Amino acid sequence: DAKTTQPPSMDCAEGRAANLPCNHSTISGNEYVYWYRQIHSQGPQYIIHGLKNNETNEMASLIITEDRKSSTLILPHATLRDTAVYYCIVRSIDQAGTALIFGKGTTLSVSS
Amino acid sequence: DGGITQSPKYLFRKEGQNVTLSCEQNLNHDAMYWYRQDPGQGLRLIYYSQIVNDFQKGDIAEGYSVSREKKESFPLTVTSAQKNPTAFYLCASSPQNGQPQHFGDGTRLSIL
Repeated sequence: DAKTTQPPSMDCAEGRAANLPCNHSTISGNEYVYWYRQIHSQGPQYIIHGLKNNETNEMASLIITEDRKSSTLILPHATLRDTAVYYCIVRSIDQAGTALIFGKGTTLSVSS
Repeated sequence: DGGITQSPKYLFRKEGQNVTLSCEQNLNHDAMYWYRQDPGQGLRLIYYSQIVNDFQKGDIAEGYSVSREKKESFPLTVTSAQKNPTAFYLCASSPQNGQPQHFGDGTRLSIL
């Protein structure tokens, strides 16, 4: 898996957009960008993934730069329940039998 | 609702005892996985299965066993041979190997 770099922590006011960056400058052409989050004492939650194009679902938007060396996860209206550790993972879709590698992630703290 | 159910949420094991952790999914996913997470650390893959009646060892399979008799179920047995079983155990599934993995809420195992 390509290495990713994320800021260790970020703060966001409730109701505002949370923009979480991720650098993955060594990403290969067949590697996707995945985002997960983990709330304390719960299992990781899949958020979104993409290859080249920007993606949006009911939880978030994923913006991938044209050179694919970085991406941003956007939570459009953060709530207190979005407080969690967010992980950016780069991985080829055909990897078989290998563990998801979660780095240190970004701890997002949403406050009222 | 579709999802992955792990039970029990908390489990205690006596020395020399085998215990079995349950994982059931109703997402119709082909692939299932077992991970172990230790405090402050990432996920480590124990076993995975891509199809019924077939499974492969992950990075830390020693002291564990699994079965995959049904598509929906992938129980993990922690045997007495596992000398340091205290951890947070996570089960995941995906439509096919390589697709985004979705996680259960975990089982926390402790030694009495």
